[in-house]
Amino acid sequence: GAVVSQHPSWVICKSGTSVKIECRSLDFQATTMFWYRQFPKQSLMLMATSNEGSKATYEQGVEKDKFLINHASLTLSTLTVTSAHPEDSSFYICSAPSSYTDTQYFGPGTRLTVL
Amino acid sequence: SQKIEQNSEALNIQEGKTATLTCNYTNYSPAYLQWYRQDPGRGPVFLLLIRENEKEKRKERLKVTFDTTLKQSLFHITASQPADSATYLCALGRTGTASKLTFGTGTRLQVTL
Repeated sequence: GAVVSQHPSWVICKSGTSVKIECRSLDFQATTMFWYRQFPKQSLMLMATSNEGSKATYEQGVEKDKFLINHASLTLSTLTVTSAHPEDSSFYICSAPSSYTDTQYFGPGTRLTVL
Repeated sequence: SQKIEQNSEALNIQEGKTATLTCNYTNYSPAYLQWYRQDPGRGPVFLLLIRENEKEKRKERLKVTFDTTLKQSLFHITASQPADSATYLCALGRTGTASKLTFGTGTRLQVTL
């Protein structure tokens, strides 16, 4: 099946620094990718839709200047958490939709801890 | 506002029994409903998709039903095994929304020997 990878799998950073998370589709092309955030014991909350070659679409309440998304190629989307604060600590997961069905392939997630 | 609720936060059952998980939604007209499995610290893995015009779908030990009148989906795992222990998420989507999904709160299933 299709594989989506994320890097890094976990990161610890100091408050005020920026962190970049990569999401790659390894064996298929994805013009669209999705970024989710998941707090402990909660469900996945869609943050934004990443579009190759154009601006990302953010969900209501998500600050686009804080969560910068770049979809540089058909296999890579990046999420940069700028000026991270402890409340940004969460599990960030990306996904890419299948070209043939309405399902999504999820990455393994990135655990961000901001001290 | 849209709301997707899964019956309980946690469900404990004995090995060999059938686990039944519920997904209820309000203020939503999905074109399809999906079930995913999520293990701790991992991303979700797709299990089954059922469309609004389908009543039931099966895949090996898994069965899902979809009742658009009741606005409910039931997810069954028959002959459950300890390896089935995980969190199960339902997700709803509409056509024309570029595969955008809205997830339920999840049910943590624990299958014991």
